[in-house]
Amino acid sequence: QSDLTQPASVSGSPGQSITISCTGTSSDVGGYKYVSWYQQHPGKAPKLLIYDVSNRPSGVSNRFSGSKSGNTASLTISGLQAEDEADYYCNLYTSSSTLAVFGGGTKLTVV
Amino acid sequence: EVQLVESGGGLVQPGGSLRLSCAASGLTFSRYWMSWVRQAPGKGLEWLANINQDESEKYYVDSVKGRFTISRDNAKNSLYLQMNSLRAEDTAVYYCATVEGYSFDIWGQGTMVTVSS
Repeated sequence: QSDLTQPASVSGSPGQSITISCTGTSSDVGGYKYVSWYQQHPGKAPKLLIYDVSNRPSGVSNRFSGSKSGNTASLTISGLQAEDEADYYCNLYTSSSTLAVFGGGTKLTVV
Repeated sequence: EVQLVESGGGLVQPGGSLRLSCAASGLTFSRYWMSWVRQAPGKGLEWLANINQDESEKYYVDSVKGRFTISRDNAKNSLYLQMNSLRAEDTAVYYCATVEGYSFDIWGQGTMVTVSS
């Protein structure tokens, strides 16, 4: 059970853009700027895509972008490619005793 | 090459104990906060615990408080997770990860823990 709500699945065609949302409350997503996003292919470890809402680590494609508005953070993938098919998770890092929480995950299908 | 390698997983009976290890190489291990994250079969990611560089700060998710203990040995470039009073719901792949700022930067490949009689 996650405190951050993500859609269970999204789909898109090659070349299109999709957005995955991560919705919390004013006490979590709305109050902190430490949202990160992870990509996980089946049987593999997660990979950091976005940190601090909208920053990309070195080596991550600029097709991945992050943003936040109010209590919802979003990951946008532009120019969809077949290899983008994976699970995507948002994470919020807070100053509470529960230091970090993941969203439930979103399965992206590239059709 | 920067690498985290978990070990110590396996099959354990309910109520049993297990100690996971995470060996770091190619990075200055003592510089990093470290984390354990798990993923039950077919489920999402769950953050479990964090530890700072000198072990003076440790944080746990409520579901493992009092049962799991995170620790590290900077001289051995290693992170540990001592898991006691294991339950069926602890069955998962367990990942270690470095914490860079406020995100999980480098991940290991994971080690599977199965709690079953």
